[in-house]
Amino acid sequence: GENVEQHPSTLSVQEGDSAVIKCTYSDSASNYFPWYKQELGKRPQLIIDIRSNVGEKKDQRIAVTLNKTAKHFSLHITETQPEDSAVYFCAASLGGTASKLTFGTGTRLQVTL
Amino acid sequence: GAVVSQHPSWVICKSGTSVKIECRSLDFQATTMFWYRQFPKQSLMLMATSNEGSKATYEQGVEKDKFLINHASLTLSTLTVTSAHPEDSSFYICSARVGHSGNTIYFGEGSWLTVV
Repeated sequence: GENVEQHPSTLSVQEGDSAVIKCTYSDSASNYFPWYKQELGKRPQLIIDIRSNVGEKKDQRIAVTLNKTAKHFSLHITETQPEDSAVYFCAASLGGTASKLTFGTGTRLQVTL
Repeated sequence: GAVVSQHPSWVICKSGTSVKIECRSLDFQATTMFWYRQFPKQSLMLMATSNEGSKATYEQGVEKDKFLINHASLTLSTLTVTSAHPEDSSFYICSARVGHSGNTIYFGEGSWLTVV
């Protein structure tokens, strides 16, 4: 089955700096890669996703890049703000009607003033 | 985005009893829902895939007779933790796929289960 690795496990940046979180996946057939933000005790919120036919996607301060050859994808957050502090999970899926998400281990991002 | 509602948000039960958690898609029909368990400071671990009108597909290591899943309608899936034990205490969270071919998955609010 699919295996998703995520690094780093914790990340501390100063407000205004950029944050980068990286994930690798094992199944070359995976074609959908969402990123979720989870605050303590709350549900994961989809923040951005990318499909395998696209190499990069951007939404305001958030961007995701995908390298299918290397089987890795990354989340980039620019101009970080304290409210960006949370746990971020990457995931991979084969797509299709019943395909499940395999999650990475999570990255705890702390944005300090 | 689509709305997935989960109930109850937290529950405390005694060892040996059963607890039912509901997951509803409020503004769309979900032929497939997923149930996850999340221990503190850990990732989301898929327990099973709930298929409307058919049996759930359980992940390896998840006891299907302990974690009963029913998906009787396109908007409701339930997870029943039977004969609960303290080690079952966890954050249980469901998710639903939007549309028949879409990949976007939205999560419910989650349910904190404490077994005493």
